[in-house]
Amino acid sequence: GEDVEQSLFLSVREGDSSVINCTYTDSSSTYLYWYKQEPGAGLQLLTYIFSNMDMKQDQRLTVLLNKKDKHLSLRIADTQTGDSAIYFCAETGSGTGGFKTIFGAGTRLFVKA
Amino acid sequence: NAGVTQTPKFRVLKTGQSMTLLCAQDMNHEYMYWYRQDPGMGLRLIHYSVGEGTTAKGEVPDGYNVSRLKKQNFLLGLESAAPSQTSVYFCASSTGQGTTDTQYFGPGTRLTVL
Repeated sequence: GEDVEQSLFLSVREGDSSVINCTYTDSSSTYLYWYKQEPGAGLQLLTYIFSNMDMKQDQRLTVLLNKKDKHLSLRIADTQTGDSAIYFCAETGSGTGGFKTIFGAGTRLFVKA
Repeated sequence: NAGVTQTPKFRVLKTGQSMTLLCAQDMNHEYMYWYRQDPGMGLRLIHYSVGEGTTAKGEVPDGYNVSRLKKQNFLLGLESAAPSQTSVYFCASSTGQGTTDTQYFGPGTRLTVL
């Protein structure tokens, strides 16, 4: 079946940039997403990118998509302690039944003051 | 708008007991989902619904049943709870209108089965 993989942990210093990476297997992906989960809460959509785009920027967030390598990354500039959370990569495509979203296991970001 | 709400927030069951988790959304979304979240495994889809009166199996449906009698509600039932069902359960909803499938999540229900 389709799969989304991410590293489980990332630690950065406050003020540095964070880069969270994700790989996926569904070659028919249409949308790829980054969700954020803060402690004790559900997931919230951070940003998404359509599969025909290479890059999307939204304030401190930059999403890069390499469709050839099926690689997605999320860069957080000037990382703050409030960015500490679990970040989930996800994708939707015809390979997932068209409306089912496949989530990665999540990357836990630790931000050191 | 309250968005997606879940009740209860916490529950402890003994093996063999049954319970129902309730999810409600006030966004008039067609699609609703139940996931479980376990450490290191991310979210796994249990069951989902593409409209009132419809349900379908997800990745890990065994031991669970669901019902979508009203568009705004999606119920998840455990008929005979097992320790392997100890997890955090998330409900989500989306418009299902074919463009981005942004899902809106509830706050979760933490279930422990002893």
